[in-house]
Amino acid sequence: QVHLVQSGAEEKKPGASVKVSCETSRDTFIMYALHWVRQAPGQSLEWMGWIITGNGNTKYSEKFQSRISITRDTSTSTAYMELSSLTSDDTAIYYCARTYPYDEDFDYWGQGTLVTVSS
Amino acid sequence: SSELTQDPAVSVALGQTVRITCQGDSLRNNYAGWYQKKPGQAPLLVFYGKNKRPSGIPDRFSGSSSGDTSSLTITGAQAEDEADYYCNSRDNPFNHIIFGGGTRLTVL
Repeated sequence: QVHLVQSGAEEKKPGASVKVSCETSRDTFIMYALHWVRQAPGQSLEWMGWIITGNGNTKYSEKFQSRISITRDTSTSTAYMELSSLTSDDTAIYYCARTYPYDEDFDYWGQGTLVTVSS
Repeated sequence: SSELTQDPAVSVALGQTVRITCQGDSLRNNYAGWYQKKPGQAPLLVFYGKNKRPSGIPDRFSGSSSGDTSSLTITGAQAEDEADYYCNSRDNPFNHIIFGGGTRLTVL
């Protein structure tokens, strides 16, 4: 049974940072890549970046390159996405999702984490 | 970077066939993936690659491609198919991933 379990909802002030976690099974952690995709209210899905959790390699969307960091904790099979310099435009549901490394077909998704940015 | 264009909304009568399209330059060299998104739920992969359907997805969902356009066809649409549908693909040469704007499917 594949599982991707994300951390709970967050409320942040503009200018702050948020760190969202995605815990998965050891098999997924070793063999797959974990991506972060977000959906703002009324908007489409937006790919943010990935990490190959087996070796730590990352790649980020140009849009978020300057303020995103995707990391991993091998001891807990958990990936993290940290986004800094938050604005109200970052209010969205953030999902982690799994693919084979260097692939683009997301076969399993986490349940989503609502991040609200408001003063 | 490239873009993927989808019609914002499509409707289909219950039991009829509907095609949802996705157009973009990246689709000339890459297959599209298709995702069903219902309110309050995570996206669900329903079709991908040349001809692949994930386990558990009904065979009424199928896909095709020609040139810069990929299509998702639902043959015999059911009420539970009412959802937003998104396509995605790789965006060469940046090795990024892009999504279409989504198509809202209404089953009448």
